[in-house]
Amino acid sequence: AQSVAQPEDQVNVAEGNPLTVKCTYSVSGNPYLFWYVQYPNRGLQFLLKYITGDNLVKGSYGFEAEFNKSQTSFHLKKPSALVSDSALYFCAVRWNSGNTPLVFGKGTRLSVIA
Amino acid sequence: SAVISQKPSRDICQRGTSLTIQCQVDSQVTMMFWYRQQPGQSLTLIATANQGSEATYESGFVIDKFPISRPNLTFSTLTVSNMSPEDSSIYLCSVEDRVGYTIYFGEGSWLTVV
Repeated sequence: AQSVAQPEDQVNVAEGNPLTVKCTYSVSGNPYLFWYVQYPNRGLQFLLKYITGDNLVKGSYGFEAEFNKSQTSFHLKKPSALVSDSALYFCAVRWNSGNTPLVFGKGTRLSVIA
Repeated sequence: SAVISQKPSRDICQRGTSLTIQCQVDSQVTMMFWYRQQPGQSLTLIATANQGSEATYESGFVIDKFPISRPNLTFSTLTVSNMSPEDSSIYLCSVEDRVGYTIYFGEGSWLTVV
């Protein structure tokens, strides 16, 4: 069965510092991996995805993530955090085909402190 | 990316009543996915809705409680029946981008049952 783990409930980082939000997955075959962000009182916004190809993927708002097959990880990163990045971040995985739903991690709350 | 509109965006409902949530997409999509996000929690898949067939429900969700319609390729409804305070959640409609395998979400319907 597919599953996603986000080991940190909360990540605190100072503005201007690099940030990492961790995600590991368990899925048979080749996973499709995603990151979403949820700002307060909003729905989910797509940030980036890994389907195939280059292990380093870049997405919206300066975020990037690295797919590591051997460690079954897909950590979200940003070189320099902004206060406006403070939000709830979800990692998700789906089976490597279309028409299958996403399985979500529990979410990590990122707090960027000025 | 698909543009997804959900109605209502928010509602306060009386215990024992039912509410129907509408999801409209600006393009034709094969599958629609309905998720629930309980307060402070991650997203849980309720059901997958394919046009022209019965929705497929996940474990713990039943058609009598969450009937779904999918009359065409751009529209779906989810009804939350006989509501109790435990049904207070965000209900999110999502669809897949046919080309890029990305799943996009609406802004959600924020229901409070009193």
